[in-house]
Amino acid sequence: DAGITQSPRHKVTETGTPVTLRCHQTENHRYMYWYRQDPGHGLRLIHYSYGVKDTDKGEVSDGYSVSRSKTEDFLLTLESATSSQTSVYFCAISSGTNPPGRSPLHFGNGTRLTVT
Amino acid sequence: KQEVTQIPAALSVPEGENLVLNCSFTDSAIYNLQWFRQDPGKGLTSLLLIQSSQREQTSGRLNASLDKSSGRSTLYIAASQPGDSATYLCAVDFGNEKLTFGTGTRLTIIP
Repeated sequence: DAGITQSPRHKVTETGTPVTLRCHQTENHRYMYWYRQDPGHGLRLIHYSYGVKDTDKGEVSDGYSVSRSKTEDFLLTLESATSSQTSVYFCAISSGTNPPGRSPLHFGNGTRLTVT
Repeated sequence: KQEVTQIPAALSVPEGENLVLNCSFTDSAIYNLQWFRQDPGKGLTSLLLIQSSQREQTSGRLNASLDKSSGRSTLYIAASQPGDSATYLCAVDFGNEKLTFGTGTRLTIIP
């Protein structure tokens, strides 16, 4: 398995509170991604990063921000959590120096977030 | 809009049978297509990646084919086993360096 650790694995939080999810990799891969998975929608890209301090928005980025100050860590922040952000969040990395379309993606085990 | 569709959403087959999972996409100008497996409560595991210039890829009992002109890919699983039970997802790079995922087919192999 690719060395990807997501923390926490489960979190329950209240509407309006800030939440930060962490993705840590030991593979020294350049490309990292945050997806959310919801029934009926599949996986949707939130944000991605092509390197330290190089990030961009995906298709469902509203309400989310990211930071990548080190190669190994990619943080996803919900500035003010809403119930619509209840989901399972997955971090992924690409196994080479290319974007994911050019080489296989490797996923972490996910963070289950519930916003009450 | 570029979309990826997987039908059926769920499939049950007896152990030992060969089976085919389907994936269709709306734009034939793809860069590549990937098949993933997801076990309950887990992340996705990459199974096969087919570049746009390829027609198929094989790994063990798995064979994935790609027909860009018809906008279809199939994942063939030979001699199915209970351990093959999982959700299978396909994802397409339409050339914008991001993957678009289907919603998956939940496969159950009946012992």
